[in-house]
Amino acid sequence: ETGVTQTPRHLVMGMTNKKSLKCEQHLGHNAMYWYKQSAKKPLELMFVYNFKEQTENNSVPSRFSPECPNSSHLFLHLHTLQPEDSALYLCATGAGGSSTDTQYFGPGTRLTVL
Amino acid sequence: GQQLNQSPQSMFIQEGEDVSMNCTSSSIFNTWLWYKQDPGEGPVLLIALYKAGELTSNGRLTAQFGITRKDSFLNISASIPSDVGIYFCAGQIKAAGNKLTFGGGTRVLVKP
Repeated sequence: ETGVTQTPRHLVMGMTNKKSLKCEQHLGHNAMYWYKQSAKKPLELMFVYNFKEQTENNSVPSRFSPECPNSSHLFLHLHTLQPEDSALYLCATGAGGSSTDTQYFGPGTRLTVL
Repeated sequence: GQQLNQSPQSMFIQEGEDVSMNCTSSSIFNTWLWYKQDPGEGPVLLIALYKAGELTSNGRLTAQFGITRKDSFLNISASIPSDVGIYFCAGQIKAAGNKLTFGGGTRVLVKP
């Protein structure tokens, strides 16, 4: 069974649409992360959840809204996005807690905003 | 914030060659991680390093955690075509929680 899955793998949406990205993990991890990967830029951390509580919001615009209903699922709700939000959105998971934490990534959702 | 300088930005390999890439920082890290990303996929963890001076291998891959804790390198020995992809280093600081700081990536291509 794949450790971290993401759906959909590809998404095209207009600027007025509302959509959601889903991440599911089967690793028993307690920390979950959303990253944005744009062309020619390093991976950018967006949000961190530890034990279902949001512990980091890296100055992300409010048109991105995360949700972590349980330790296995993480969502990223999208509304009124801009074309510059087009990117690969990656979910990652880790053991969590206060110790250093190796992170495992999902395959990503390729988002295109028209 | 912390920054990681990864070099080279890109490189061409010929089958059988050994290749090397590295990351440096002005900050000290507690953990160094190396990932590989294929087109259309997420990064896959290759090697994790947790102690200064640590040298760890994973098949044909070898990575070292620099003694100063400000750098790390990754070597690929006897490269093969499937080594093509983008390799990322990432550093982690305990004081910054679980956040990873990523390098800009090294794109490995096959010589035509």
